Amino acid sequence: GENVEQHPSTLSVQEGDSAVIKCTYSDSASNYFPWYKQELGKRPQLIIDIRSNVGEKKDQRIAVTLNKTAKHFSLHITETQPEDSAVYFCAAGTRNNDMRFGAGTRLTVKP
Amino acid sequence: DGGITQSPKYLFRKEGQNVTLSCEQNLNHDAMYWYRQDPGQGLRLIYYSQIVNDFQKGDIAEGYSVSREKKESFPLTVTSAQKNPTAFYLCASSIKPSNQPQHFGDGTRLSIL
Repeated sequence: GENVEQHPSTLSVQEGDSAVIKCTYSDSASNYFPWYKQELGKRPQLIIDIRSNVGEKKDQRIAVTLNKTAKHFSLHITETQPEDSAVYFCAAGTRNNDMRFGAGTRLTVKP
Repeated sequence: DGGITQSPKYLFRKEGQNVTLSCEQNLNHDAMYWYRQDPGQGLRLIYYSQIVNDFQKGDIAEGYSVSREKKESFPLTVTSAQKNPTAFYLCASSIKPSNQPQHFGDGTRLSIL
């Protein structure tokens, strides 16, 4: 089955700096890669997703890149703000199999 | 996401007791999922269902059971066979198939008395 690895497990940046979180997946059939943000004690919320027919997608300060050959994808947050502090999860899914999540990255943005 | 309601928000289980966590959605989604989240860890899949009256085991199904009698509802029972049930439980739903965004409920935090 699918295995998703996520790095780093914790990340601390200064406000205004960029943050990058990386994930790798094992199943070459995976074709959907969402990113979720989870604030403490709350539900995960989808912030951006990308499909395998696209290499990059951007939404304001957030961007995701996908390298299908290497089986890895990354989340980029620019101009970080304290409210970006949360746990971020990547995931990989296929049409026929259930989705698998990474272990999460705790991002702290210092004012 | 107001479309998925989990209850209760907090639940306490006595030793040897079965408890049931509720998950209801009004999004008309076919697929529903249960995840377990331990502190500092990711989401581990317990069970999922892609259609009424059908469900599949996830990675950590032992000690849990589910039913899917209605499209809107996917309750999870934590049985006494689950020896370490303390965790945060999240329910999610999506349109079929699995490569679609999942919408999560607010979760249930289960603790042992």
